Amino acid sequence: SQQGEEDPQALSIQEGENATMNCSYKTSINNLQWYRQNSGRGLVHLILIRSNEREKHSGRLRVTLDTSKKSSSLLITASRAADTASYFCATGLDGNNRLAFGKGNQVVVIP
Amino acid sequence: NAGVMQNPRHLVRRRGQEARLRCSPMKGHSHVYWYRQLPEEGLKFMVYLQKENIIDESGMPKERFSAEFPKEGPSILRIQQVVRGDSAAYFCASSPDSRDTQYFGPGTRLTVL
Repeated sequence: SQQGEEDPQALSIQEGENATMNCSYKTSINNLQWYRQNSGRGLVHLILIRSNEREKHSGRLRVTLDTSKKSSSLLITASRAADTASYFCATGLDGNNRLAFGKGNQVVVIP
Repeated sequence: NAGVMQNPRHLVRRRGQEARLRCSPMKGHSHVYWYRQLPEEGLKFMVYLQKENIIDESGMPKERFSAEFPKEGPSILRIQQVVRGDSAAYFCASSPDSRDTQYFGPGTRLTVL
């Protein structure tokens, strides 16, 4: 089965800077979703981008999807200390909403 | 509109006991998914259910694990004769449609002593 893989795995930035994470996958997808998980907590859905979309914005978040390269990026602009969390990409296979998650990016925003 | 609810939030069992994890989907959601997260790893799909039907259980271990989503009441993930390797966080998600966003519950953290 396919699996999203985030890159880099750990990122430490100063508050106010931008954070960029990448995710690659192996097979055709229906959609790609990004989630945030604070330590020891559940997952919070951030954004969903469908396979026929190339870019999507939500507040300080910008997601791109390149189906030819089978990759996606998540950009968090003007980061805040509250953005400190693990970020996961998850791909939904065409015709099947079973999500395949990557191992996650640990982002630490230093105040 | 309450989110996805899971209980208990923490569960401790001794080896050989049974664990029952409950998930109540968001109102109006008829699709339920269970995932397992081992420490320092991403989530792994276990099973996808609709009311009274198991749609995809390709991620479920063949033995000791079972899931149901009855017509009335929450979805149940049941683990029989637990072993230490079952210690993990178990997350439930729900969606209104098979192609829509999945919303996750807070998880149940199972510890097997």
